[in-house]
Amino acid sequence: DAGVIQSPRHEVTEMGQEVTLRCKPISGHNSLFWYRQTMMRGLELLIYFNNNVPIDDSGMPEDRFSAKMPNASFSTLKIQPSEPRDSAVYFCASSVEGPHNEQFFGPGTRLTVL
Amino acid sequence: EDKVVQSPLSLVVHEGDTVTLNCSYEVTNFRSLLWYKQEKKAPTFLFMLTSSGIEKKSGRLSSILDKKELFSILNITATQTGDSAVYLCAVVKATNKLIFGTGTLLAVQP
Repeated sequence: DAGVIQSPRHEVTEMGQEVTLRCKPISGHNSLFWYRQTMMRGLELLIYFNNNVPIDDSGMPEDRFSAKMPNASFSTLKIQPSEPRDSAVYFCASSVEGPHNEQFFGPGTRLTVL
Repeated sequence: EDKVVQSPLSLVVHEGDTVTLNCSYEVTNFRSLLWYKQEKKAPTFLFMLTSSGIEKKSGRLSSILDKKELFSILNITATQTGDSAVYLCAVVKATNKLIFGTGTLLAVQP
C-alpha cells in the first residue's frame, strides 16, 4: 500500500486566495484526520471523519476552514480566504477505527501564505 | 480545560544513555494515551496505553501509564542517534476527542 497520500506537498499562495489540500487515506481505513502543525501551537487536530461523516470538528479554527469527505478514498481541506497565520504544515492521517487506534500520517502539505 | 503537558521540553543526551520522557494530563473521560515519534516528517505511532501498570515494550522503547496519578512515561534505553526526534503524547477522550501535548525534543549526540 502507498500509505496516506497528500497533495500538493508544498503550496505558496497570496493572502486572500483559496487553498485546497487533498488527501487519500489508506484503503480499508474508515477514519480520517486533518491536523495542523506550527512551531507555536504544535500539532492540532482540526477535524476527523468516521465512515465519511465528520465526528469532531471542534478544532477547526474558524469559518474560513472547511473539510469534506465525499467518499471513503478522498478528502479535502479548504481555506477561503487564506491568511498569513494559516501558514503551517497540514497533515492528513487515517486509521482503521477512530483516534485511539494507530494513525498513519501522510507526508504533509507545507502551506505558506504570503 | 483539558490539557496534556510533556516534560522536559527538550533534552540532549549522549549515545548509550537512558532517557525518560514524561506526559501528564488533566482530561475528563479519559480513554487512552498514545505516543508518537516525529523525525523530520510525519509522526509515526509508538504505543497506545489504556490500562495502568501494564508496560508496553518495543525493542529499546517502553512505556507505562499511571491512571491514578495521571501520567505516562516513555523510556528509551541505550539511546542511538536515530532516536533523535520529537516525541509526542496524545490523550484520547471517551468522546474520541484527541489532545496532543507540545512534544519533547530529544537530541542524541554521538
